Amino acid sequence: DTAVSQTPKYLVTQMGNDKSIKCEQNLGHDTMYWYKQDSKKFLKIMFSYNNKELIINETVPNRFSPKSPDKAHLNLHINSLELGDSAVYFCASSPGQLNTIYFGEGSWLTVV
Amino acid sequence: TQLLEQSPQFLSIQEGENLTVYCNSSSVFSSLQWYRQEPGEGPVLLVTVVTGGEVKKLKRLTFQFGDARKDSSLHITAAQPGDTGLYLCAGSKNQGGKLIFGQGTELSVKP
Repeated sequence: DTAVSQTPKYLVTQMGNDKSIKCEQNLGHDTMYWYKQDSKKFLKIMFSYNNKELIINETVPNRFSPKSPDKAHLNLHINSLELGDSAVYFCASSPGQLNTIYFGEGSWLTVV
Repeated sequence: TQLLEQSPQFLSIQEGENLTVYCNSSSVFSSLQWYRQEPGEGPVLLVTVVTGGEVKKLKRLTFQFGDARKDSSLHITAAQPGDTGLYLCAGSKNQGGKLIFGQGTELSVKP
């Protein structure tokens, strides 16, 4: 019974490709997030959605486009992948205004 | 500029030792959280503190929020190999606001 599940867990792709990471949560939470964790383990928010609406959009290249078809799903599409995009991407969710965040297991993206 | 500074960044100790991890900022936070992340997994919430001076205990882990709500500490008593992981503090400046993470402390406890 995975609360926040994301796929794929590992992704190795070439520069210039377009790829997507999918995320689903079964916690009934209103808010979902995408975080990026770099090689130094620093975790930084990229996007936040509340009830399918974008509420936080940090300084992220517009090659990254989140899509929320419903409040249980938040997918991340990345165009024209670059070497610097290599990182671990975490999907997460939280119950509305509260700040307890539940993370998925992460998607390891390697761009070669 | 890192809003939340964690120290130390790396810590390697023997089983049974005590340790303290610090999370400092010049900003005031409405709440502060501590997460632990194990290799290959996502961070998992350990505790949330919201009141200045608050102390919370979770078995051998003691968390404290500074009186001015600008800093926090995590103390582990008699560390065990199972405590090994990345410890992250994260603060929110207002209810429902985004969480800002520290850069983490990698703890290794050797048997």
